[in-house]
Amino acid sequence: GAVVSQHPSRVICKSGTSVKIECRSLDFQATTMFWYRQFPKQSLMLMATSNEGSKATYEQGVEKDKFLINHASLTLSTLTVTSAHPEDSSFYICSARDRETSETQYFGPGTRLLVL
Amino acid sequence: QKEVEQDPGPLSVPEGAIVSLNCTYSNSAFQYFMWYRQYSRKGPELLMYTYSSGNKEDGRFTAQVDKSSKYISLFIRDSQPSDSATYLCAMTDTGRRALTFGSGTRLQVQP
Repeated sequence: GAVVSQHPSRVICKSGTSVKIECRSLDFQATTMFWYRQFPKQSLMLMATSNEGSKATYEQGVEKDKFLINHASLTLSTLTVTSAHPEDSSFYICSARDRETSETQYFGPGTRLLVL
Repeated sequence: QKEVEQDPGPLSVPEGAIVSLNCTYSNSAFQYFMWYRQYSRKGPELLMYTYSSGNKEDGRFTAQVDKSSKYISLFIRDSQPSDSATYLCAMTDTGRRALTFGSGTRLQVQP
């Protein structure tokens, strides 16, 4: 199956710092990538949709200036949490839509962010 | 009312049992239906992918979609302790590519 990687898998940072999370599709091209957030024992909450070469589309209630998304190539999207605060601590997961089998999404392993 | 409803469980079954997981939905535009398995602290893993109504089988897993009832199911035969995880249903329409997820059902298979 298709593989999506995320880096880092876990990050601990101080309040006020910025954290960048990378999402890569390893063996397929992804014109669209998605960023989700998941709280303990809850389902995934879509944050934004990222299309290669264009601006991301954010879901209602998600601050685009706080969660910066860049989709520079068909295999890489980045999420930067700017000026992180403890309430930003969460599990962030990306997914990538396979360009060939358009409706199938493959998920990365997730990044656990802890802001102290 | 949520767009996708899924019983959160937990659902506890003995090893070897047949497991039935279900989701209902309200948006008749949904055409693509998926089941993901998520282990604790890991990303979701795609298990089954179905387009429109019908059945699909892959090993011990069978996915069923009944669009007339807006109801989808995942059956797991000969369940194993390694099947213990949270199972998420997800769906999307033909236009909007983002997935709408159920809340997930936590399954525990007792050895």
